[in-house]
Amino acid sequence: AQSVTQLDSHVSVSEGTPVLLRCNYSSSYSPSLFWYVQHPNKGLQLLLKYTSAATLVKGINGFEAEFKKSETSFHLTKPSAHMSDAAEYFCVVSEPGGGNKLTFGTGTQLKVEL
Amino acid sequence: GAVVSQHPSWVICKSGTSVKIECRSLDFQATTMFWYRQFPKQSLMLMATSNEGSKATYEQGVEKDKFLINHASLTLSTLTVTSAHPEDSSFYICSARDGNSGANVLTFGAGSRLTVL
Repeated sequence: AQSVTQLDSHVSVSEGTPVLLRCNYSSSYSPSLFWYVQHPNKGLQLLLKYTSAATLVKGINGFEAEFKKSETSFHLTKPSAHMSDAAEYFCVVSEPGGGNKLTFGTGTQLKVEL
Repeated sequence: GAVVSQHPSWVICKSGTSVKIECRSLDFQATTMFWYRQFPKQSLMLMATSNEGSKATYEQGVEKDKFLINHASLTLSTLTVTSAHPEDSSFYICSARDGNSGANVLTFGAGSRLTVL
């Protein structure tokens, strides 16, 4: 069985400072991992994905994430936060052969302050 | 890139009526679509997997007679909330996988907010 834990339900940063959103996963197989962003009353947009290639994954809008198997982590980072980054972020895991069944984390609400 | 369209984006209905939500893949064929439900400030909960030309697979605890899913073509899946009640009010989101793509990536619709009075 697969699961994902987002360690922080809320993160608040100042504009221009780094962002760190934490995610730990559990999977019986080599998983695929994703980060999605959701703005209020909108659908989900894919930020980046890890599918067993390079462990450091670069996504859109300056975000990146590093897959660390030894730590079972896939934390999302951005060097400098922008006001437009304020949104809900979901860490998602999918196992091979699972028919694209995704398991979502509970989400992290990112607040960016001036 | 792949685009998934949901319609309507929001709907208000009276208790006891049925509401149909459409999910369309605009520029690719989707052999599999997924329906999720999201309560306020919570994560997405998978309701069912919709497969073109066959019956949907429902997750445990989801009433198949309450939430009817039809995937009649490779570009359209519909979710019908039958005899809706206020507790069915929620944000419903669909996603689809491009059947011709080897990538394990789903594209999500913008969601449909249902309010049952």
